[in-house]
Amino acid sequence: GAVVSQHPSRVICKSGTSVKIECRSLDFQATTMFWYRQFPKQSLMLMATSNEGSKATYEQGVEKDKFLINHASLTLSTLTVTSAHPEDSSFYICSARSGLWNTGELFFGEGSRLTVL
Amino acid sequence: DAKTTQPPSMDCAEGRAANLPCNHSTISGNEYVYWYRQIHSQGPQYIIHGLKNNETNEMASLIITEDRKSSTLILPHATLRDTAVYYCIVRVAGSNFGNEKLTFGTGTRLTIIP
Repeated sequence: GAVVSQHPSRVICKSGTSVKIECRSLDFQATTMFWYRQFPKQSLMLMATSNEGSKATYEQGVEKDKFLINHASLTLSTLTVTSAHPEDSSFYICSARSGLWNTGELFFGEGSRLTVL
Repeated sequence: DAKTTQPPSMDCAEGRAANLPCNHSTISGNEYVYWYRQIHSQGPQYIIHGLKNNETNEMASLIITEDRKSSTLILPHATLRDTAVYYCIVRVAGSNFGNEKLTFGTGTRLTIIP
């Protein structure tokens, strides 16, 4: 099946710094990518939807200036956590679909665990 | 999207069939039932989806009741590697435009016991 890859898988940073997480579709073109956040023992919460070449759509309660999303190409979306704080420590997961929603599947990355000290 | 209800946890003996129920009594006629699972510290993995007919693939079978208000995911011969959180999601599909997003509930934590 299609592969979605995230990098880095784990990152530790100091409070106040910014961290960039990449999400790549390796064998298909992803017109839409989704970013989720998951806290320990909780379900995935959708943060935003990004479409290639346009601004991301953020879910209610998600600060767009704090979580910058760029989807500049059909195979890459990035999530930048700006001025990270310990409460931003979480498991960030991206998913992607191709332009034609014909299989019903969304493909998920392996996730990126962010720890802010 | 319609809301789903799943038991929070289940145990199943290794080698036996694992049957995971899901209630979706408010499902609309154009909403599909999807199943994903998430193994610890990994991204969700697609398992199967269906509209109204029963479906089977190499991973599992999906049984949808005639009124479509509930469904059951069946893992025919559970192994230890099937230990995961299983999510049942209902949503509209089939469009080639728009932002069809998945809304995850709390899922069922399935533990396969040796």
